[in-house]
Amino acid sequence: SQTIHQWPATLVQPVGSPLSLECTVEGTSNPNLYWYRQAAGRGLQLLFYSVGIGQISSEVPQNLSASRPQDRQFILSSKKLLLSDSGFYLCAWSVSGRVVRDTQYFGPGTRLTVL
Amino acid sequence: AQKVTQAQTEISVVEKEDVTLDCVYETRDTTYYLFWYKQPPSGELVFLIRRNSFDEQNEISGRYSWNFQKSTSSFNFTTTASQVMDSAVYFCALSEAGFNKFYFGSGTKLNVKP
Repeated sequence: SQTIHQWPATLVQPVGSPLSLECTVEGTSNPNLYWYRQAAGRGLQLLFYSVGIGQISSEVPQNLSASRPQDRQFILSSKKLLLSDSGFYLCAWSVSGRVVRDTQYFGPGTRLTVL
Repeated sequence: AQKVTQAQTEISVVEKEDVTLDCVYETRDTTYYLFWYKQPPSGELVFLIRRNSFDEQNEISGRYSWNFQKSTSSFNFTTTASQVMDSAVYFCALSEAGFNKFYFGSGTKLNVKP
């Protein structure tokens, strides 16, 4: 069965510090991968998605970036965090290469607080 | 314009009451998918159901049921005999043709009190 991991689970970082959040998927190959952010009490905002290694699409221009160095690894980064980067970051995956709109399955999330 | 609207921000009910969460969507595609997810306090989004635009049959799973009506562009979720464990934020989402991008509603927080 497929599982998705995220770490760290929680993170407190000062403004201006770098960020690296990691997401890995097990039990499937060549998944579509997604990064979402959820501000406190708000809905989900799609940040990045990837259909393959090295293929990243950005949905919202900001000081965040994403990379996919391996098939089942998706990394969210920032060189300098802003207060507004605080939130709950969720990684998700779906089956790729299909016409059917497949379900996205979410990881446990990382709660980021920027002070 | 919002593609998925969940007008109910927060609903509070007492255990054993029935409750319906509303979801209204907007799309020009003839082929699309609708989803419901549950987000308990732990934060992880849990997949509940997927419906494609060609299947308007209502779905029932235990205490949960979903009513899909294309005529009103709605995909409502009903919990019967609600329990405290149903307390969570529920999200409705739409996926259109093309790349598998989801449009999420803003969520409805359901509080079930004992």
